[in-house]
Amino acid sequence: DAGITQSPRYKITETGRQVTLMCHQTWSHSYMFWYRQDLGHGLRLIYYSAAADITDKGEVPDGYVVSRSKTENFPLTLESATRSQTSVYFCASTGQANTGELFFGEGSRLTVL
Amino acid sequence: AQSVTQLDSQVPVFEEAPVELRCNYSSSVSVYLFWYVQYPNQGLQLLLKYLSGSTLVKGINGFEAEFNKSQTSFHLRKPSVHISDTAEYFCAVKPGGSYIPTFGRGTSLIVHP
Repeated sequence: DAGITQSPRYKITETGRQVTLMCHQTWSHSYMFWYRQDLGHGLRLIYYSAAADITDKGEVPDGYVVSRSKTENFPLTLESATRSQTSVYFCASTGQANTGELFFGEGSRLTVL
Repeated sequence: AQSVTQLDSQVPVFEEAPVELRCNYSSSVSVYLFWYVQYPNQGLQLLLKYLSGSTLVKGINGFEAEFNKSQTSFHLRKPSVHISDTAEYFCAVKPGGSYIPTFGRGTSLIVHP
């Protein structure tokens, strides 16, 4: 099915380990985003991308790395996971810069022990 | 920088009662406005959006919102809520010329039987 998919949906890891969350969209949308959702903070932007090979930091980028070698994929890597990175992570995309709504994946729930 | 305030973190209401979820944003020359809904364990999906034209916007599931430029508000309303409307609701704003939306912290709508 066409859409935006995230994997894994659930992940438990230990402090210090590297974790990669995958995001794939089938619309060839130019713009992609990574958010984390925490109680009391709503959605906070981690990284975003306007096109392949163009990425930029959002509000809370520390401890995260992204890449975008292909338009359809936008993986998010936690280089050395910390307990404060326990969260629900959402990937989103849009094809229209100003007027387009975001299409969200179903989220990846990460627990760092 | 753009900011979005959702004045109520939680709104309890009885089934079939009307509801209003409030959203205010910081002033900008031109903005595009969105309301998203998040059901439990799912990603966000678009309820409605205001781009231009009529200030009253109708969305899915019987929701509507009114854009008020002078009060920089975009409140969401529904005349009669259903149990299935229980969800988290997010207001988002895109300033003209930017593809990055700013989200409010969300309002949890709880519909009681």
